[in-house]
Amino acid sequence: DAGVIQSPRHEVTEMGQEVTLRCKPISGHDYLFWYRQTMMRGLELLIYFNNNVPIDDSGMPEDRFSAKMPNASFSTLKIQPSEPRDSAVYFCASSPGTELYNEQFFGPGTRLTVL
Amino acid sequence: SQKIEQNSEALNIQEGKTATLTCNYTNYSPAYLQWYRQDPGRGPVFLLLIRENEKEKRKERLKVTFDTTLKQSLFHITASQPADSATYLCALDLGNTGKLIFGQGTTLQVKP
Repeated sequence: DAGVIQSPRHEVTEMGQEVTLRCKPISGHDYLFWYRQTMMRGLELLIYFNNNVPIDDSGMPEDRFSAKMPNASFSTLKIQPSEPRDSAVYFCASSPGTELYNEQFFGPGTRLTVL
Repeated sequence: SQKIEQNSEALNIQEGKTATLTCNYTNYSPAYLQWYRQDPGRGPVFLLLIRENEKEKRKERLKVTFDTTLKQSLFHITASQPADSATYLCALDLGNTGKLIFGQGTTLQVKP
């Protein structure tokens, strides 16, 4: 298995532009998570899905952020309009379930820079 | 409010020694606690999971303890090697939700 795949790996954009980050989870995993990591705030959960349905989006900072999971093998995180304070590394992770085993598998991340 | 604290200072130790990292939490009753390793420029990688009814878990040179009374987990790496140098994150599972809350991480530097 290729693991969790994220694209792009790096994104540089100007303030006000729309940014779309993409994630392909590990096949068969029921859960998908979007995190943001900064030096100041560490690794923060933004939103997570179970079987393509958003379960908890309380970590989404504001309405400029939105996430979708149209099918089991694809998810997007969109920022519109982007601002310099959105600069961070965004990780996608997937998990096989929650019964007894909650290990999360992380992708390589997307480093976003908003100028 | 819920809070997780890890040593904010980097931990520097000599090769061959045992590294001990601390994770304290407040206002939580986690079902599980997990430890992850993160190398620069990469995503976190799962290391160990310990349940609330377990006191200790081992995996090769790694050992995790979980004291629900003290609300603390200790992560030990015995016979440390320079390759163990990384940032180590603890994470608490909020019941069977699948949701993890991460600490800020502790950076370990093992010197040859």
